[in-house]
Parts: sequence; C-alpha cells; structure tokens
Amino acid sequence: RKEVEQDPGPFNVPEGATVAFNCTYSNSASQSFFWYRQDCRKEPKLLMSVYSSGNEDGRFTAQLNRASQYISLLIRDSKLSDSATYLCVVNMDSNYQLIWGAGTKLIIKP
Amino acid sequence: SQTIHQWPATLVQPVGSPLSLECTVEGTSNPNLYWYRQAAGRGLQLLFYSVGIGQISSEVPQNLSASRPQDRQFILSSKKLLLSDSGFYLCAWSRTDDNEKLFFGSGTQLSVL
Repeated sequence: RKEVEQDPGPFNVPEGATVAFNCTYSNSASQSFFWYRQDCRKEPKLLMSVYSSGNEDGRFTAQLNRASQYISLLIRDSKLSDSATYLCVVNMDSNYQLIWGAGTKLIIKP
Repeated sequence: SQTIHQWPATLVQPVGSPLSLECTVEGTSNPNLYWYRQAAGRGLQLLFYSVGIGQISSEVPQNLSASRPQDRQFILSSKKLLLSDSGFYLCAWSRTDDNEKLFFGSGTQLSVL
C-alpha cells in the first residue's frame, strides 16, 4: 500500500459545479496535512493546510478524517482556472520528510 | 519578499554527460533548501535537503549529489547522467521554523537521451 494515495483522475467537471476528492494515508501517526496545487509543467504551490477542525478558504474546504485516515478537498462553484493537479502532502514525522501523493487531475469545462 | 530562482528551465543531455542545476533564494536568510524529483504519475521524491552551508542530507541512493556553497545557493550535480535521471527537478526552500511549508522554484525538465 502506498503511503499516500490519490485518485489520479482526471475529474471532468462543468464550470460552477462542486467537486471533491480524497487522499488516504497509511501512517496513523501522521501529524500534518496539506493540499498543493500544480499547473501543468509548473511548480507546486501551497493551497491550504488541513487542520483537525477543518479549514475553509473561500470556495475551498479541506477536512481531515483521522479515524479513516484520509483528507479531503472540496471546491465549490468551480472556475475554469481551478483546472490543475491537486497534490496531497502528509508529514509522517517531523524530520523534513513530507510524503507526496501523485496528484488528482481536475479539468473544469465551460 | 522571498523569491527562488532555478535554472535552466529545460535541459536535454546525453547519457554519461555531467549535470549541474542551480537554485538561489533571495529575501531570506538561512533557509532550509531541498531538491525534489517528480516522475510522471508519481509523487515528488525528496532527493536532498540542507539546513545550512555545507550540510547536505541525502534521502535516496543515486548518482546525484548536492552542494550548498553559500547560504542561499543549492546545486544539484551528477558526473555521469543515466537514462533514469530524466524527470522534473524542483528546488524548494522553507523557513527553519516551519519546514512543512515549501516554496518551489519553477523547475527543470531534464531529458537524458
């Protein structure tokens, strides 16, 4: 089992719709969780951290489910500019080793 | 504000040739520095990280090496490239007191032929 798993997609979603995808992690002792966004052939950029209590930033909501060991990202009122690959990142210990998922590709269609 | 520069953007090299990728950070002091590789369909793989000048930690065995000759300069090198070295290489920095939030350079697409 991979340490961090994501559905590679692509998720094809019409503009204005709500879309959600999950990321599962294997280590129950994992401490910190993040979502990064990566455009094609560009560098990843931090989208948001995922707190135990959940985290909302505008149209984006991230949640953590420790019991089932997954985090989720929900995007409301999706825009064409939301098209990207979303990377899940987990810190399984505090020693600089972040574990990256392979990403979920999202395509927003007009 | 802090900026990170990485070059070149693309590189095509023959097997057996040397490699040197450079990364510099501006606007911060004593950053943690990282080299990652991203292969198609796979998560980012940490290759090296550095917490200070001359301090390099390697995460995976390979024919690559890294050096940090100055506080804000990080170099990835190889004496002889392999086909398997092809990939998207990313330099990143983080604050020493918050090493979970990374800021990436624009990446180098390396093709070894």
